[in-house]
Amino acid sequence: AQSVAQPEDQVNVAEGNPLTVKCTYSVSGNPYLFWYVQYPNRGLQFLLKYITGDNLVKGSYGFEAEFNKSQTSFHLKKPSALVSDSALYFCAVRPLDAGNNRKLIWGLGTSLAVNP
Amino acid sequence: EAGVAQSPRYKIIEKRQSVAFWCNPISGHATLYWYQQILGQGPKLLIQFQNNGVVDDSQLPKDRFSAERLKGVDSTLKIQPAKLEDSAVYLCASSSTQPLHEQYFGPGTRLTVT
Repeated sequence: AQSVAQPEDQVNVAEGNPLTVKCTYSVSGNPYLFWYVQYPNRGLQFLLKYITGDNLVKGSYGFEAEFNKSQTSFHLKKPSALVSDSALYFCAVRPLDAGNNRKLIWGLGTSLAVNP
Repeated sequence: EAGVAQSPRYKIIEKRQSVAFWCNPISGHATLYWYQQILGQGPKLLIQFQNNGVVDDSQLPKDRFSAERLKGVDSTLKIQPAKLEDSAVYLCASSSTQPLHEQYFGPGTRLTVT
C-alpha cells in the first residue's frame, strides 16, 4: 500500500539552530512531493513542492527540502529556526498514476517546537 | 487573490443533529476538496469535485455525509445525523486544473458533537 511516513511526532530545536523534519514515502514511480504547515487554529498552508529537476527545492519562510530518490525521502530543512516556525508540519505525496484524481497521501504530521 | 473561505469557523451540536458547512474556493479553481482532520492526524479526503462533478468520494460516509457543488463554484458539506466520532476540523481546499499545482486550504470549521 502507498504510504507517507513522518517518523518523528515531535521535533524540538533551539532558536537559531538548523532544523530538519523527516519524511519518507512508499509509492510507485516518481511522485510529486509537498510540504504543508499548520499553525494553531489555522488551515494548512503550502510551503514547497518537488516536481522534477534540482533535488533541493526552496519554499516559503526560508524553508527548503531535499529530494532523495534512492532513499525515497523528502526532508524539510531550515538553516536557522525561529520561534515563529513552531507549528505542525505535514508531508504529502501525489502518486504520478493518480490521473485526474489529484489525491494526496498525507503523513500524520510532525509538531515542531522552537525554543527561545 | 482572496483565499478559500469557509463558514462557520466553529460549531457545537448534539449527536443526531444535522450540520452544514460552506466553502467558497479561490476564484477560477476548478477542483475543490473536503477533508476531515481529527486531532493528531493528517487530513483525510472526504470528497473531491472537478467543477460540479465528483471525482472521488470513496472515503465519504455516504449514509450520513453529503456534499454538493451545484454551480461549480462554492460547495456545502452536510452531516445528518451527526455522531460523536464526527468531531473534527473540516477543511476545504481548492486547486487549479493544472496537475502540478498545489492545494490551497481554508481556515477550517471545528465541529464538536456532544
